Amino acid sequence: KAGVTQTPRYLIKTRGQQVTLSCSPISGHRSVSWYQQTPGQGLQFLFEYFSETQRNKGNFPGRFSGRQFSNSRSEMNVSTLELGDSALYLCASSLAGSVGGHGYTFGSGTRLTVV
Amino acid sequence: QQQVKQSPQSLIVQKGGISIINCAYENTAFDYFPWYQQFPGKGPALLIAIRPDVSEKKEGRFTISFNKSAKQFSLHIMDSQPGDSATYFCAARGGSARQLTFGSGTQLTVLP
Repeated sequence: KAGVTQTPRYLIKTRGQQVTLSCSPISGHRSVSWYQQTPGQGLQFLFEYFSETQRNKGNFPGRFSGRQFSNSRSEMNVSTLELGDSALYLCASSLAGSVGGHGYTFGSGTRLTVV
Repeated sequence: QQQVKQSPQSLIVQKGGISIINCAYENTAFDYFPWYQQFPGKGPALLIAIRPDVSEKKEGRFTISFNKSAKQFSLHIMDSQPGDSATYFCAARGGSARQLTFGSGTQLTVLP
């Protein structure tokens, strides 16, 4: 079956702009989590959505937001981009209630560069 | 208390050798400990995982050893191959938010 699809794969934005990233989970998966990966901070949890509701949120500023649609696809938005937002943004999908379990599958990520 | 500390940062091993990566945690609420493998340009992929009621789990060439009293766990890769060259992350799940907390990663290079 198809894996987790993230679009776009690469993105270059200017400071102050906003960006929207998309994630299509594995068919049947209802939970989507977002992580930020940087060389300095590693993998950090952003938020998790389940059935269109944000279930958990990491320690990121309010410029980072997300949503989930009725078909489980998710988007994350970053407003007023800063240079430090340059990172690989990873989406992971899972069956309900199995966060971090064997049903937890990552996409290949969106590489965001802020200039 | 949510941290997972991973070492070494990088590791070079000869083909056929044993690769060992270590992780330590503080939060006793963690209840699931997966290891992920990440190749350049790809997202992390689950390699093997263990629960704290088990001291060892083996899958093929990959073994997790878990020491609950010391709050440490490690990944052993036996007969390491050049194709194993990747970044490895330990992680822990649990606590109030139930998301994964990742270690800082180990870049493994297996020389042919």
